[in-house]
Amino acid sequence: AQSVTQLGSHVSVSEGALVLLRCNYSSSVPPYLFWYVQYPNQGLQLLLKYTTGATLVKGINGFEAEFKKSETSFHLTKPSAHMSDAAEYFCAVSEDFGNEKLTFGTGTRLTIIP
Amino acid sequence: DTGVSQDPRHKITKRGQNVTFRCDPISEHNRLYWYRQTLGQGPEFLTYFQNEAQLEKSRLLSDRFSAERPKGSFSTLEIQRTEQGDSAMYLCASSLLRQGPGGKLFFGSGTQLSVL
Repeated sequence: AQSVTQLGSHVSVSEGALVLLRCNYSSSVPPYLFWYVQYPNQGLQLLLKYTTGATLVKGINGFEAEFKKSETSFHLTKPSAHMSDAAEYFCAVSEDFGNEKLTFGTGTRLTIIP
Repeated sequence: DTGVSQDPRHKITKRGQNVTFRCDPISEHNRLYWYRQTLGQGPEFLTYFQNEAQLEKSRLLSDRFSAERPKGSFSTLEIQRTEQGDSAMYLCASSLLRQGPGGKLFFGSGTQLSVL
C-alpha cells in the first residue's frame, strides 16, 4: 500500500531563508507525487505535481520539488521564504492513475520569522 | 470559476443524531471527491463520483456514511447515528476529467463536524 511520511510537523524559517519541507513515500509502482498547500481558512490548493518525465518540478509561488527514486523522496524547496508562505503543506501520493484518489501525509506547518 | 463550496461551515450535533453536508463543485467538473481530515492528520479519502455514479468507497467507510450526487451536480454526505469519532473536517473536492496525468483537485473549505 502507498504511504507518505512528512518529517517535521512544524518548520520555522526566517524571511528570505531557504525553505525545505521533507517528504518520503512508499509505493509499489512508480507513483504520482503532489504537494498541496492550505492557507488559513482556505481549501487545499495544488502547488505542484510529478507524474513522469523531468524529475525537477516547478510549481506556483516559486516552489519546486525533485523526485528522487533512489531515495524515495519528493522534498519541497523555495530559495527565499516570504511571509505569505506561512501555511500548512501536504505531500501526497497516488498509485491509481485513473482518478485523483490521493494518500496524504500528516502535513508540515511552515512558520516564517520576520 | 466560483470554486467549490461546502455547507454548512460548522456543525455541532449530539451523539446519535443524523447530519447531512452539501458540496457544490465547480460547475463543469465531472468528478467529485469526499475526504475527511482529523486534527494533526492529512486528508483521508472517503469516496468519489464521476458524474452521478459513485465509483469507489473507502474500505474504512462505515455503513453509517452515505453519499449521493443526483444529476451529477451537487453532492450530499450523510452520517447516520453520529459517534464522537466522527468529529472531523469533511472536505469536498472536484476535478475535471482529462486534466492530464494526475489531475488537479480543487478543494472546498470544508465542514467542521463536532459530535458531543
